Amino acid sequence: ETGVTQTPRHLVMGMTNKKSLKCEQHLGHNAMYWYKQSAKKPLELMFVYNFKEQTENNSVPSRFSPECPNSSHLFLHLHTLQPEDSALYLCASRTELAGVHEQYFGPGTRLTVT
Amino acid sequence: TQLLEQSPQFLSIQEGENLTVYCNSSSVFSSLQWYRQEPGEGPVLLVTVVTGGEVKKLKRLTFQFGDARKDSSLHITAAQPGDTGLYLCAYAGNTPLVFGKGTRLSVIA
Repeated sequence: ETGVTQTPRHLVMGMTNKKSLKCEQHLGHNAMYWYKQSAKKPLELMFVYNFKEQTENNSVPSRFSPECPNSSHLFLHLHTLQPEDSALYLCASRTELAGVHEQYFGPGTRLTVT
Repeated sequence: TQLLEQSPQFLSIQEGENLTVYCNSSSVFSSLQWYRQEPGEGPVLLVTVVTGGEVKKLKRLTFQFGDARKDSSLHITAAQPGDTGLYLCAYAGNTPLVFGKGTRLSVIA
């Protein structure tokens, strides 16, 4: 248990559906991230939020829409996805001490787009 | 060009064997981290190394930071099936963290 929870853990959706992924952290961190992890590929950073403000969008298609209502919650809204978007979507929060950043990941949502 | 090169990419060994995986770069880092990701879960931070030449131990895992702070290694003694997973190194002095592609370890009972 890392203090970062994600729901749902598994999601199957059609290409015309709209769904949302939820992430919640109880660690008091001020930065949160969305990553995509496809099979046998490295972690791909998608979005970064610092103090509820989006500070990085790593050229992510607009069919992925993040939302950060407060420092503890992060959402990823999905619509009109493609089969190649099937992946493990990981949320993480970050803390920093003396210049060293530590990230705490949630268990991920395994997304399958049919 | 990947900032952090991890090797080997895949490793399959028998239970009880020892192994070492590597994280290399041409850049100097103020700190490096190792994460382990078990199947179906998110990565979990194992250790942070910040001093050149530093060695840290976590039960059967030994982490070393190179003297020049350009590389790190992870040595596992007497591997067990529970060690199976993806081992990621990351540069921890930057935000967001920069991850290597990982070494996928499979320990067979």
